[in-house]
Amino acid sequence: AQSVSQHNHHVILSEAASLELGCNYSYGGTVNLFWYVQYPGQHLQLLLKYFSGDPLVKGIKGFEAEFIKSKFSFNLRKPSVQWSDTAEYFCAVNRVSGGYNKLIFGAGTRLAVHP
Amino acid sequence: DTEVTQTPKHLVMGMTNKKSLKCEQHMGHRAMYWYKQKAKKPPELMFVYSYEKLSINESVPSRFSPECPNSSLLNLHLHALQPEDSALYLCASNPGGLSNEQFFGPGTRLTVL
Repeated sequence: AQSVSQHNHHVILSEAASLELGCNYSYGGTVNLFWYVQYPGQHLQLLLKYFSGDPLVKGIKGFEAEFIKSKFSFNLRKPSVQWSDTAEYFCAVNRVSGGYNKLIFGAGTRLAVHP
Repeated sequence: DTEVTQTPKHLVMGMTNKKSLKCEQHMGHRAMYWYKQKAKKPPELMFVYSYEKLSINESVPSRFSPECPNSSLLNLHLHALQPEDSALYLCASNPGGLSNEQFFGPGTRLTVL
């Protein structure tokens, strides 16, 4: 069965530290990959997405992610985090099932950034 | 209009009540979704509607009844819920075709007493 694994469940950083959140998926076909962010008390927002082309994708708020097909990975990075980046981050893989799009989410990584 | 709206934002109901959640989008998207999200967990897919027809039901109990009156509206009718059904219910839409990006609404936070 297809799954999405986020290795870090809880990450604590100081402001200006660099961030890398891991995401691995288990699906051998063509994949569409996403990172969503959920700020405290708010709804899911799309950070970035990969469909095809350049494996290094840039998203909003200075985030980027790199798709490495050979490693089945789509890790999220940010060179310097801010307190406002405190949120839950979800990696997701799109799967086509019966002709319909389904998003499979990872368990999420809770990021806390201290001033 | 580039957003998905959901009403109400919060809902408290008893186990014998009947209530409905509403989702609306005016982006012309042809696929709409209901997700359930428990605290500190990822969203879990419940239903998928494509061109106003129910396409996927992820083995959701019958006390949850979806309805798609038209291409812009998606309802979730609730009846005889249990306390463990308390969660954030998210609606999403997708343009369909080659685009797999889903646009999420803010959710309805449901508490079942």
